[in-house]
Amino acid sequence: DTAVSQTPKYLVTQMGNDKSIKCEQNLGHDTMYWYKQDSKKFLKIMFSYNNKELIINETVPNRFSPKSPDKAHLNLHINSLELGDSAVYFCASSQAKRTSYNEQFFGPGTRLTVL
Amino acid sequence: GQSLEQPSEVTAVEGAIVQINCTYQTSGFYGLSWYQQHDGGAPTFLSYNALDGLEETGRFSSFLSRSDSYGYLLLQELQMKDSASYFCAVRANTGFQKLVFGTGTRLLVSP
Repeated sequence: DTAVSQTPKYLVTQMGNDKSIKCEQNLGHDTMYWYKQDSKKFLKIMFSYNNKELIINETVPNRFSPKSPDKAHLNLHINSLELGDSAVYFCASSQAKRTSYNEQFFGPGTRLTVL
Repeated sequence: GQSLEQPSEVTAVEGAIVQINCTYQTSGFYGLSWYQQHDGGAPTFLSYNALDGLEETGRFSSFLSRSDSYGYLLLQELQMKDSASYFCAVRANTGFQKLVFGTGTRLLVSP
């Protein structure tokens, strides 16, 4: 199936741990994103990569580090997890065109719970 | 700062028409999009308006007035499966697609 996939779907961990979330897209897109959706369903962009280059880096604690090994993959590593990191993290992808808009395709999300 | 305001919840019955409003205040504006998200699911793209006016896609239409910094999503012939959260989102830059999302509107469709 052509899609954006994320692993794991659920992640439950203790405060202070380090965890990673993986994302892959097989849509042939050149731009990938990480979003955080909090308990009030507010969806906020964290990072974006275009052709493996970081292009959007919002005000996110440096405990969060994205890595894009190639155009089809964007991983998110989180160090020293805190209670406030509990949220659903969505990966998304799109084909960037400077002069026109394309829709973003979202993965199924990873529900992170920090205890 | 950048903000997009939407009503928190809207209720309607099957077969009805409902309008979800979005007012925005952003430093840049290059179009207004709408996304649908079912509980436990991922946001999915519905529509996009770059210019003033109405865009129609089946039962859904989206409207934009750039002079009023306002848009709406119109859902017609409501079905139970339309119960979901709806987000407006502004593309805030001319280059890469940075989307700023609204607060979301939960639509409840009853029989």
